[in-house]
Amino acid sequence: DGGITQSPKYLFRKEGQNVTLSCEQNLNHDAMYWYRQDPGQGLRLIYYSQIVNDFQKGDIAEGYSVSREKKESFPLTVTSAQKNPTAFYLCASSINGPQHFGDGTRLSIL
Amino acid sequence: GENVEQHPSTLSVQEGDSAVIKCTYSDSASNYFPWYKQELGKGPQLIIDIRSNVGEKKDQRIAVTLNKTAKHFSLHITETQPEDSAVYFCAAVYGGSQGNLIFGKGTKLSVKP
Repeated sequence: DGGITQSPKYLFRKEGQNVTLSCEQNLNHDAMYWYRQDPGQGLRLIYYSQIVNDFQKGDIAEGYSVSREKKESFPLTVTSAQKNPTAFYLCASSINGPQHFGDGTRLSIL
Repeated sequence: GENVEQHPSTLSVQEGDSAVIKCTYSDSASNYFPWYKQELGKGPQLIIDIRSNVGEKKDQRIAVTLNKTAKHFSLHITETQPEDSAVYFCAAVYGGSQGNLIFGKGTKLSVKP
């Protein structure tokens, strides 16, 4: 089946640790996105990439990093500089149209 | 900056009644408006969208209306069922790009049997 796969579903971060969230899509979409979702805040854009080897900061990029080495993959690293990382992280992809979302990764602090 | 306001934040209806969720946007250049449904622990799923060259679009029990002059758009769900219970998000494209969306803060819809 075509779709977007996010892993892991749950992730725990220790103090000072970087963690990486995986996002893979087999929809052949050019653009990919990372959002953070907090209760009552809706979805806020962290980073996006329109093509391979290129990405742009969104509204809340501080403390996060991304790479786009392959069209299918857009991993997100939550660095130790992100002081409030507890949230639900959503990855999406699109091609000249609506964004399609994965089922998210819930990140918590140990 | 660009903004999308969504109301109400919570909505409770009886099964069989209609539900209406309203959004306003600030970027007059926005030309694409999707609506998403998010169930607990899942990612948002696109349920309907509308482009600025039409004023209304319908898909079975779901319809969306757009008023470009007033910069607002609404989601209408008729004959609501318990499985319609979820959080609904509106969104508007901004910056002239088809894919860059700004989202409303969501409406939690509860349909009581």
